[in-house]
Amino acid sequence: NAGVTQTPKFQVLKTGQSMTLQCAQDMNHEYMSWYRQDPGMGLRLIHYSVGAGITDQGEVPNGYNVSRSTTEDFPLRLLSAAPSQTSVYFCASSYGAAFEQYFGPGTRLTVT
Amino acid sequence: ILNVEQSPQSLHVQEGDSTNFTCSFPSSNFYALHWYRWETAKSPEALFVMTLNGDEKKKGRISATLNTKEGYSYLYIKGSQPEDSATYLCAFANAGGTSYGKLTFGQGTILTVHP
Repeated sequence: NAGVTQTPKFQVLKTGQSMTLQCAQDMNHEYMSWYRQDPGMGLRLIHYSVGAGITDQGEVPNGYNVSRSTTEDFPLRLLSAAPSQTSVYFCASSYGAAFEQYFGPGTRLTVT
Repeated sequence: ILNVEQSPQSLHVQEGDSTNFTCSFPSSNFYALHWYRWETAKSPEALFVMTLNGDEKKKGRISATLNTKEGYSYLYIKGSQPEDSATYLCAFANAGGTSYGKLTFGQGTILTVHP
């Protein structure tokens, strides 16, 4: 099993550009989520999904879109990048919110 | 926004010391409480997930307890080793209404174990 994979590992964007961060898991997990990690702020939930076709907002959803067309994939779209979105992004998956979360390796994004 | 608080923010201990941290969370709409260990330049790894009031979990030298009625969990490390140095995160899973299944993380406790 590859577990949770994220691409790219690093990305630099200019303000206003859009991009998609990819997340995939091969563990047949229903529950997937996206977090951002900022110094002194811990992990903050952006969006999450309890199954294919179902998504919901987390703490900090503004500026981000998600969709969940398959169980395996949960891409995160930045619509118009802003410097405030410079962060490390983690994707996680599990069987549900009462089960341990498996985290991907993270994507470090810089917006200039 | 839910309040999940961890204390202390950071802790320095000597090798061999035992230590403990606290996670405080809302006492209503409880679904689960998670603990993760996060080493620098790696991804968080799960230690425990607890769902019942009074739960106690143990993995080697690390153990955790849960009190859902008063909204706190303790993580204990017995005989700390330098390799225990990491950030320890807790996360509250919500059972309520439109927030069902949402995880809120605390800011973490940074543990440094000195040889």
